[in-house]
Amino acid sequence: GQQLNQSPQSMFIQEGEDVSMNCTSSSIFNTWLWYKQDPGEGPVLLIALYKAGELTSNGRLTAQFGITRKDSFLNISASIPSDVGIYFCAGQAVGDAGKSTFGDGTTLTVKP
Amino acid sequence: GAVVSQHPSWVICKSGTSVKIECRSLDFQATTMFWYRQFPKQSLMLMATSNEGSKATYEQGVEKDKFLINHASLTLSTLTVTSAHPEDSSFYICSASETAYEQYFGPGTRLTVT
Repeated sequence: GQQLNQSPQSMFIQEGEDVSMNCTSSSIFNTWLWYKQDPGEGPVLLIALYKAGELTSNGRLTAQFGITRKDSFLNISASIPSDVGIYFCAGQAVGDAGKSTFGDGTTLTVKP
Repeated sequence: GAVVSQHPSWVICKSGTSVKIECRSLDFQATTMFWYRQFPKQSLMLMATSNEGSKATYEQGVEKDKFLINHASLTLSTLTVTSAHPEDSSFYICSASETAYEQYFGPGTRLTVT
């Protein structure tokens, strides 16, 4: 089945710094999704990407759907303490009936 | 919009008993609902996909007689963990999808089997 490699596994940054994380896949996806999960809660959808090359922003967050359709990145600008959490990428392949394959997550720690 | 609720948020049960977890889409009709299991510091593991009015599709390695899923309406799916054992203790999360692209997650249910 599809596998997603998400990196880095964890990040420790200072408040105000920019953050970048990415996901790569061994196969092509037609949809990329980025989620944030706080401890003890369900993931919250941040950004959805539907076309190769698409660049979408949501406040301080920006995500891009790679041209090859095998990768995506998420950038967070000017990080703040509430950005702390686990960020997951998820991809959907054609014919997967909406099923998403999830990356292993990037744990973000922001030091005030 | 796109709010999904889960009930209960946590449950403690004795080994051998069954536990039912409800997942509801509150402000949209979910053609598909998904059930996940998540272990500490790990990613989400898809257990099954359910469509309203039809049998759930289970992922490889997930026992369908152990984890009974019912998707009775476009806004409600239930997961019943039958004859629960300590190894079933986990964080169970549902998600609901209207468009087959974006999934909206519930807040999760923490199950502890003693």
